Amino acid sequence: GDSVTQMEGPVTLSEEAFLTINCTYTATGYPSLFWYVQYPGEGLQLLLKATKADDKGSNKGFEATYRKETTSFHLEKGSVQVSDSAVYFCALSPFNTGKLIFGQGTTLQVKP
Amino acid sequence: DGGITQSPKYLFRKEGQNVTLSCEQNLNHDAMYWYRQDPGQGLRLIYYSQIVNDFQKGDIAEGYSVSREKKESFPLTVTSAQKNPTAFYLCASNDRGPGELFFGEGSRLTVL
Repeated sequence: GDSVTQMEGPVTLSEEAFLTINCTYTATGYPSLFWYVQYPGEGLQLLLKATKADDKGSNKGFEATYRKETTSFHLEKGSVQVSDSAVYFCALSPFNTGKLIFGQGTTLQVKP
Repeated sequence: DGGITQSPKYLFRKEGQNVTLSCEQNLNHDAMYWYRQDPGQGLRLIYYSQIVNDFQKGDIAEGYSVSREKKESFPLTVTSAQKNPTAFYLCASNDRGPGELFFGEGSRLTVL
């Protein structure tokens, strides 16, 4: 079945460091791909999305490119801030459905 | 403002008691979802509904029940048959078809 695998955390970085969180997926057809962020004690918020191969999603300095050839959707940010500390979830929506399948989440901690 | 409201935010219950978590949305979305979140396991789909008076089991439906009598409301009952109910429960909604999920702020259930 369809699935999402994220790199295990926690990821601990210093402020202004470069961030990469790896995400790979298994799916039939052409899924849509998403990154969500969860701050402590809250629900999830959409960070960015891509709906077809080679699309780049971007928001708040974060970017991810839909790579069909490597079935990947890695999240990157050039310079992280303390306020970016949160749990990040990669997710896919199978073709023509509204459901989302989530990875296990990666905790990011940014230290001043 | 449009959004999803979950209540209560925190809930404590004794083992063997049924509990009902409320989820209301005013986004006029057709589809609604319940996810369970456990540390290190990401989000797992419990039940979803794409239209009023219809719902489907997700990956971990055992021990849970839902109803969808109104478009705006999708309550989740955690029954005594659920072996390990302590978790963070998230409700979400979207229009039918692939796309962004909008989440509530979650309900944390602790069974004593």
